[in-house]
Amino acid sequence: DTEVTQTPKHLVMGMTNKKSLKCEQHMGHRAMYWYKQKAKKPPELMFVYSYEKLSINESVPSRFSPECPNSSLLNLHLHALQPEDSALYLCASSQDEGTHTDTQYFGPGTRLTVL
Amino acid sequence: AQTVTQSQPEMSVQEAETVTLSCTYDTSESNYYLFWYKQPPSRQMILVIRQEAYKQQNATENRFSVNFQKAAKSFSLKISDSQLGDTAMYFCAFMISFGNEKLTFGTGTRLTIIP
Repeated sequence: DTEVTQTPKHLVMGMTNKKSLKCEQHMGHRAMYWYKQKAKKPPELMFVYSYEKLSINESVPSRFSPECPNSSLLNLHLHALQPEDSALYLCASSQDEGTHTDTQYFGPGTRLTVL
Repeated sequence: AQTVTQSQPEMSVQEAETVTLSCTYDTSESNYYLFWYKQPPSRQMILVIRQEAYKQQNATENRFSVNFQKAAKSFSLKISDSQLGDTAMYFCAFMISFGNEKLTFGTGTRLTIIP
C-alpha cells in the first residue's frame, strides 16, 4: 500500500483566517514532506520532517507552520495568508534509513484558494 | 547543485503509438536515484518508474521503460501502446542517494494522447 491521504481536498480561506491541512500515511515511513505547486510548474519543497523532527525548512514564511504530531501525521497550519499563497499543497512520505531516504510517495493534494 | 532539464514542454501522440519523453540532468554525484512521476488532471503525483544510478539495467514497469545513459546524463521515458489514461504532465526528478532528501524536478512535459 503506497497511500498518502490529505484533507481537505479543497479549501477557501480569507486572509485573516486560520486553517490547517492534514496529511496521513500508514506505510511506516519516517520522512514526510510538504510541497507547494503552482499551476503548470513542478512542486517546490517547503518542509521535511525526519523521525518527527523538522530537518529542512526552505525559508518558508512564518505564516506557514508545520507540525508532525507522530510518525503517521503531518499538519500544515495556515495563518494570515496572502492571495499569492493560493496553490496546490502536496504531502509526500518516504522511507528514511537515517543515512538516506528513498522514493517519495505523494498524496492527492489540497487545492488552496486565498481570497 | 543538481539540475534537471526537460526540453519538451508539450507532446501529443495517437492512442496505441509509442512516445519517448526526454530528460537530462547534471550532477557531480555518483550515487543517486532518478524518477518519472505522472500528474494527471486529477492532480495526484504518481510514481511511474524509478532507476538507481548504480544499476546498468534499464528499469521497466509494464508499458513504461527508461533509457538510462549515465555517462550522457540522460534518462528518457518510453511509453508503449499509449492509452488515453496516459494523458498527464510528466516530471523527471533526481535525488541523491545519501544524506539529502531533496527531490529536484524538471519543468515537466505535458503529454496528450489523442483518440
